[in-house]
Amino acid sequence: EVQLLESGGDLVQPGESLRLSCAGSGFTFSTHVMSWVRQAPGKGLEWISTIGSDGYTHYADSVKGRCTISRDNSKNTLYMQMNSLRAEDTAVYYCARGFRWFASWGQGTLVTVSS
Amino acid sequence: EIVLTQSPATLSLSPGERATLSCRASQSVSSYLAWYQQKPGQAPRLLVYDASNRATGIPARFSGSGSETDFTLTISSLEPEDFAVYYCQQRSSWPLTFGGGTKVEIK
Repeated sequence: EVQLLESGGDLVQPGESLRLSCAGSGFTFSTHVMSWVRQAPGKGLEWISTIGSDGYTHYADSVKGRCTISRDNSKNTLYMQMNSLRAEDTAVYYCARGFRWFASWGQGTLVTVSS
Repeated sequence: EIVLTQSPATLSLSPGERATLSCRASQSVSSYLAWYQQKPGQAPRLLVYDASNRATGIPARFSGSGSETDFTLTISSLEPEDFAVYYCQQRSSWPLTFGGGTKVEIK
């Protein structure tokens, strides 16, 4: 069974940094494209980043230059380094397997940016 | 960026009724459209991919259709567990985008 488990969400102040993690199991992590999708409170879904099995990356304009997606295939773990956080980054962050469509999702981790 | 517009925003129906949800793209996405269901406090669940292919384990009452710019998700007969928010998503070009969602609520 595919499992994705996010961690790292927290309450931070504007301008601070945070690193999210997503541990994958039940599949060959290294061969799969992985993505991050977020959802602000009471709002819809927003794709923010994807990383390929070979390391290629794509970012939404809303996070480009502030966030870096990476992966450690030896640890079956996906990361999102988030810098210069803003109030509008407040959301539940989901990791998801794939990029064409997302058949597997984690349970999400909450990031709150507030002073 | 391809904008996906979902309508209606809210659909009020009774169990057993047919639900028809629309997703319109600002430019052609070919058949590269997926549908998701999300219930409160849960992650989204993939229902349909590439416009008309049901994902693994999805009941036959869910069906997707359409191409280019106009897509439909149909729930043939609503079950109590189908009341939720539904999102469409395109993979035709970067950035990947989602529609704003349609809430299917109990009438």
